[in-house]
Amino acid sequence: DAKTTQPTSMDCAEGRAANLPCNHSTISGNEYVYWYRQIHSQGPQYIIHGLKNNETNEMASLIITEDRKSSTLILPHATLRDTAVYYCIVRVANNAGNMLTFGGGTRLMVKP
Amino acid sequence: GAVVSQHPSWVICKSGTSVKIECRSLDFQATTMFWYRQFPKQSLMLMATSNEGSKATYEQGVEKDKFLINHASLTLSTLTVTSAHPEDSSFYICSAGTSGGRGEQFFGPGTRLTVL
Repeated sequence: DAKTTQPTSMDCAEGRAANLPCNHSTISGNEYVYWYRQIHSQGPQYIIHGLKNNETNEMASLIITEDRKSSTLILPHATLRDTAVYYCIVRVANNAGNMLTFGGGTRLMVKP
Repeated sequence: GAVVSQHPSWVICKSGTSVKIECRSLDFQATTMFWYRQFPKQSLMLMATSNEGSKATYEQGVEKDKFLINHASLTLSTLTVTSAHPEDSSFYICSAGTSGGRGEQFFGPGTRLTVL
């Protein structure tokens, strides 16, 4: 699976949009971009994923560049409960039988 | 989304004892489950892939005789830490995915193991 690069940490003011970048310049054509987050002392939580089109769900929006070498996860109105480590993962195929490889992630701190 | 549970949520044991951790998919069947380990301030590291009805596949550096994995049914996988030592103290997390669909993995809440 392709490697991803994320900033180690970011701060965001409560109520503002949080934009979390991810570089995946070696992504292959059949690899999807997945985002998970992990709140302290809990298991990771699925947020969103996409292949090449922008995606939106009730939690977040995912913007993937046209060349697919980078993406941005957007939390439109961050709350204190969004404080967590956010992991960007690229993964071969759309198959639940494939493992996830976690990098360091971005530690997002939402501040009042 | 699908729900994965783990039991116990935390356990404290003496050095040399064995500890069993259960991972259950509550509302779906999972032919494959994964076991991860996470040390403080570090990311999740895959330990092994658990396949229903067959032997688990272990990642390099993970001792299969120390971390016994049994995936006896489509909804249950167990991880047994045998002869636990303080360096085995960690946060153990399992995950499972639904067949087909979007391929996302669902994670259990984790088990905090402390070996004294």
